[in-house]
Amino acid sequence: GQQLNQSPQSMFIQEGEDVSMNCTSSSIFNTWLWYKQDPGEGPVLLIALYKAGELTSNGRLTAQFGITRKDSFLNISASIPSDVGIYFCAGQLGDRDDKIIFGKGTRLHILP
Amino acid sequence: DAGVTQSPTHLIKTRGQQVTLRCSPKSGHDTVSWYQQALGQGPQFIFQYYEEEERQRGNFPDRFSGHQFPNYSSELNVNALLLGDSALYLCASSSYLTGNTGELFFGEGSRLTVL
Repeated sequence: GQQLNQSPQSMFIQEGEDVSMNCTSSSIFNTWLWYKQDPGEGPVLLIALYKAGELTSNGRLTAQFGITRKDSFLNISASIPSDVGIYFCAGQLGDRDDKIIFGKGTRLHILP
Repeated sequence: DAGVTQSPTHLIKTRGQQVTLRCSPKSGHDTVSWYQQALGQGPQFIFQYYEEEERQRGNFPDRFSGHQFPNYSSELNVNALLLGDSALYLCASSSYLTGNTGELFFGEGSRLTVL
């Protein structure tokens, strides 16, 4: 089936550093999404991307929909302790009602 | 305004048993999707319900079944439980007509352990 490959699997950074993570697929997606999951919680949508090449920001977060429609990246600037968690890329192959497929996640750890 | 609520939060079953998990969607939402999240993995799509019908289904066996009620709440049933069914089961709601594409609102999940 369709797979989303996220990298890196985990990251250990210092507070204040910038973070970059990405997601690739062999399939073309119509929608790219980035969700964050905190411990004991369900995922929460951070950014949604709907057009190839689109660059969207949400505070310190910036994400882009790759030109080939087969990849996306998420950047976090000036990381803070509450950024700790699991970041999932997700996407839809079909129209707005299509199921949403998730990657395996990038686990972000912030060193004291 | 209550978000997505799921019950029970935790449960333990033995192999071969059956389990029912429940979900109430966020107020104003009419579509419910169920996901299975194994430890250390991303959520895997099980199925989606809208207008009391299963609209889409992921790659899960028929042991997994569901239902949506007229008030939009939903149940997930799993029969003949296997050890591999141990996971966090997440319910997500959305609005079919008015929601933003791709925006799912998740509950905190039901943690199922099969012994």
